Amino acid sequence: GIQVEQSPPDLILQEGANSTLRCNFSDSVNNLQWFHQNPWGQLINLFYIPSGTKQNGRLSATTVATERYSLLYISSSQTTDSGVYFCMLQGAQKLVFGQGTRLTINP
Amino acid sequence: KAGVTQTPRYLIKTRGQQVTLSCSPISGHRSVSWYQQTPGQGLQFLFEYFSETQRNKGNFPGRFSGRQFSNSRSEMNVSTLELGDSALYLCASSWMTSGSYNEQFFGPGTRLTVL
Repeated sequence: GIQVEQSPPDLILQEGANSTLRCNFSDSVNNLQWFHQNPWGQLINLFYIPSGTKQNGRLSATTVATERYSLLYISSSQTTDSGVYFCMLQGAQKLVFGQGTRLTINP
Repeated sequence: KAGVTQTPRYLIKTRGQQVTLSCSPISGHRSVSWYQQTPGQGLQFLFEYFSETQRNKGNFPGRFSGRQFSNSRSEMNVSTLELGDSALYLCASSWMTSGSYNEQFFGPGTRLTVL
């Protein structure tokens, strides 16, 4: 089945810094999403981005489907950005998650 | 529009018991998927229902089952609970077209503890 790898696994930054999270996948995809999991476990939708680039405030995402990767950019980080970020994609009729990137933003 | 709701939010059971979790999708969504999240295995796909039919299934034993009702609400059942079934169980709904998933929206989850 399709393999998904997120990097880095952990990222610790100071407030105000910028960050780039990466999601590599092993096969073509029809569906790719980025989520932020809050401390209570809720998965918050960030982007639905099978291809192209989207922006929402301080966050943006780019998926290059032909090269099998997606990037999530967070600019001017705030402490509320802390948490785990997941990419999820569709492969062989199943939805597959990466292992996540744990982002810690220190004040 | 109301989001995806899951009940109960927390549950404590003992080994050998069975449990039923419920998920109500966003109004108009006909696809409901279930996931298990554990620290060791991460987020894993359990199964997906569309129009009361199970369309896809992950690699879980037969103790894990589910169903979907005509109003798209879904339940999942775990029989003969094991300690390793302790996890956060998440459901998601989407406006699924044939053969392809659209954007998934997740509920808050049910945290199951098996003692």
